[in-house]
Formats: sequence, structure tokens, C-alpha cells
Amino acid sequence: ESVLTQSPGTLSLSPGERATLSCRASQSVNSNYLAWYQQKPGQAPRLLIYGASSRATGIPDRFSGSGSGTDFTLTISRLEPEDFAVYYCQQYGSTPWTFGQGTKVEVK
Amino acid sequence: QVQLQESGPGLVKPSQTLSLTCTVSGGSIVGSTFYWSWIRQPAGKGLEWIGRIYPTGSTNYTPSLKSRVAISVDMSKNQFSLKLSSVTAADTAVYFCVRGRGWFDSWGQGTLVTVSS
Repeated sequence: ESVLTQSPGTLSLSPGERATLSCRASQSVNSNYLAWYQQKPGQAPRLLIYGASSRATGIPDRFSGSGSGTDFTLTISRLEPEDFAVYYCQQYGSTPWTFGQGTKVEVK
Repeated sequence: QVQLQESGPGLVKPSQTLSLTCTVSGGSIVGSTFYWSWIRQPAGKGLEWIGRIYPTGSTNYTPSLKSRVAISVDMSKNQFSLKLSSVTAADTAVYFCVRGRGWFDSWGQGTLVTVSS
């Protein structure tokens, strides 16, 4: 089973700042099959990125994904007020599909 | 646009079987090239993928739950279902039904299931 470790656990930033979130896998993710999600309180997660770097439909271009192998990054170029939330990475390169434990992006 | 809606009891007694159904609208499970999965999230915690079913009926489950879980599909009703047996308090969570191809692009709103006597 591929274990995903996200860092940091919490990121305290101000609107307009750049956010860099990390996701490290315990084994290489096949074909870079890695996704990122955003979740706000009381809501279902929303797909942001799949295939490590492809933005999902309707996702603003301030969200970008990068990485390969075992190290992946989600970057939010300039934080908007609606971007403060919890972010999860997920690998689907091998079963069982697994999620990271999440990174909370909070207002500083 | 596809929509998914979970339904089922919100309270289940310990040792009993949790049963949930996901109704899909705006798209058909039959003939689709999507996996249909269940994911759960205990309060204040992260996401756990439970398992998936393909329209052919092929299933795959996470190892930690494999002995207790079954996912099935009812093509005539455009629904898929989750059964989790021998539940304990540790199974208390919000349960989501989702559609995807590995990544999950459509989610139900989630339903809270509490395991308590």
C-alpha cells in the first residue's frame, strides 16, 4: 500500500501570498497518477488536479500541480479568500487507492 | 452533469450491517467507463477509500475492510450500494459515493452514519 505523507500539516498565510503544499509517497506513483482535492467544512472534496499536473474543469489557473515519482507539489500562486481550506493528495497508480492526511491552509 | 446522492440509515447498532445506496442522475452507470466508489471520513479526520465497482461488476476493496465490505450495482435503478458488516464505533463517519477514473471528479454530498447502541 502506498502511504502518502503531506507537509506541512498547517500552512498559515495571508491572502495574496503563494502556497506550496507537498505530498510524498512511500513508493513511486505509477504513471504519476496523483490527484489533489480541496475540502471546505461541511462540503465534499473538490477535484483540483489529476495526473499530477492537469487542472480539472473549471479550476482557476492559480492552482498548479507538479512532481513525479515520489514527490509532488500543489502550488497556489496567489491565495484568494476562498482558497483557505484543507487540501488532500491521492494516488491512483495502484490499489488500494490512498489519500494523504491533508494540509490545512489557514489565514495568518 | 452527473449527480450522486447517498441514502440510508444514519444510525446503526454495533455488530450490525451498515447499508447505503447511491443514486446516480444525469448519467448512466450502464456502459460508462467510470469506477464507482465509496469513500469515508470520520469527523475531523482524513479521507479513506473503501472500494470501487466497475460497470462490469468487477470490485476492488481496501485491504483493511475487505473482509467486511461489499459493493454492488443495480443497473435497472442506476444505483450502487455499500454494505459494511460487523460495524463498531470506529466505522462512524461521513460516507461519500463518488465517480471517477482513479481520480474522483463527482461526489455525493455525503451522509453521516453513526454506530451506536
